[in-house]
Amino acid sequence: SQQGEEDPQALSIQEGENATMNCSYKTSINNLQWYRQNSGRGLVHLILIRSNEREKHSGRLRVTLDTSKKSSSLLITASRAADTASYFCATDANEETSGSRLTFGEGTQLTVNP
Amino acid sequence: ETGVTQTPRHLVMGMTNKKSLKCEQHLGHNAMYWYKQSAKKPLELMFVYSLEERVENNSVPSRFSPECPNSSHLFLHLHTLQPEDSALYLCASSQDGRSTGELFFGEGSRLTVL
Repeated sequence: SQQGEEDPQALSIQEGENATMNCSYKTSINNLQWYRQNSGRGLVHLILIRSNEREKHSGRLRVTLDTSKKSSSLLITASRAADTASYFCATDANEETSGSRLTFGEGTQLTVNP
Repeated sequence: ETGVTQTPRHLVMGMTNKKSLKCEQHLGHNAMYWYKQSAKKPLELMFVYSLEERVENNSVPSRFSPECPNSSHLFLHLHTLQPEDSALYLCASSQDGRSTGELFFGEGSRLTVL
């Protein structure tokens, strides 16, 4: 089964620096999504990139997708202390099903130090 | 406020108790989900409901019993749980029943089984 695997597991940076997180998966996908989770809270959707897209931007977020390498990266530019959270990639199976079948990775814990 | 509300936020129960988790979405979505999040493990998809019909049951033990009385409400009935069932249970919804949409999560119900 496909599964997103994030790398690194933990990342600690200073405010103002850029943070890059990577995700690898195993099988073909419809789309790949990134989510953020503050400690003990629910997940919040950040950005979705479709399998025919290579790059997408949303504010300080930049996501790339390389389907030949089955990998994606999430870049947060000019990080802030409020960006401290866990970040998850999730892959959507390339099949016609009722309901989403997102498969999540274990996440990257990002700490942005003031 | 994500439009998905979960209650209770925290629950402590003994192994012989019967309790229920409740989820309500105010987004007009047609699909709802239960996920389990345990420490150091990826999110696990438990159940999927699309248009009030259960379309996925990921080999979840029968001590977890879902109920979806309408497209806005989802319950997870719990009975004779084990300590290893302690986790954060997340409810989510998506706009339609196709496998391409983003998920909107609630804040989760933190369950502790003694």
